[in-house]
Amino acid sequence: SYVLTQPPSVSVAPGQTARITCGGNNIGSKSVHWYQQKPGQAPVLVVYDDRDRPSEIRERFSGSNSVNTATLTISRVEAGDEADYYCQVWDSSSHHWVFGGGTKLTVL
Amino acid sequence: EVQLVESGGGLLQPGGSLRLSCAASGFTFVTYEMNWVRQAPGKGLEWVSYISGSGSSIYYADSVKGRFTISRDNAKTSLYLQMNNLRAEDTAVYYCAREGKLTNDALDIWGQGTMVIVSS
Repeated sequence: SYVLTQPPSVSVAPGQTARITCGGNNIGSKSVHWYQQKPGQAPVLVVYDDRDRPSEIRERFSGSNSVNTATLTISRVEAGDEADYYCQVWDSSSHHWVFGGGTKLTVL
Repeated sequence: EVQLVESGGGLLQPGGSLRLSCAASGFTFVTYEMNWVRQAPGKGLEWVSYISGSGSSIYYADSVKGRFTISRDNAKTSLYLQMNNLRAEDTAVYYCAREGKLTNDALDIWGQGTMVIVSS
């Protein structure tokens, strides 16, 4: 089955840029989606199709995807960005959605 | 307002059964593919099951295949998850989530979740 690998944690100071990676075999050929989840809340879609944002998501959130790594980039990080972030792809061979293990973003 | 509201969670013993419901409103339910996603306490997200708008296509995670059954009633704009032979490892918050038409099928709307605890 397809596996997505994320770092367990990323730390960044306010105002800096956070980059959260999602590794997978030839992930560049897949469409990657990213979700933000704050404690006690349901996940929220922040980036879809590698790099697109829902209209309600701020421009500080962006994404990229190439070869074996997809990246969620959060610019000018704020305290309110502190959350768990998950990547997701559709594995067409097994007809399964696959989530990465999640990355906890800490704002120092 | 576009909304998903889950219900039916609870505490039950291993081997028991439970049926979760997800009431949809604010959108044309029949035209959307739906999913169940769960999250064990302190753990990450785990996809559980998918169903197409008509109900003709259904997929399951290997961890629940043969024990869980996804279904939908488009007339009642509701999604269901019948869970049988429950195990301790099924303990989780269960979310229903919609695949968006403008988001290349990413899960654009989520419910608030319903908790299932399997314990003796």
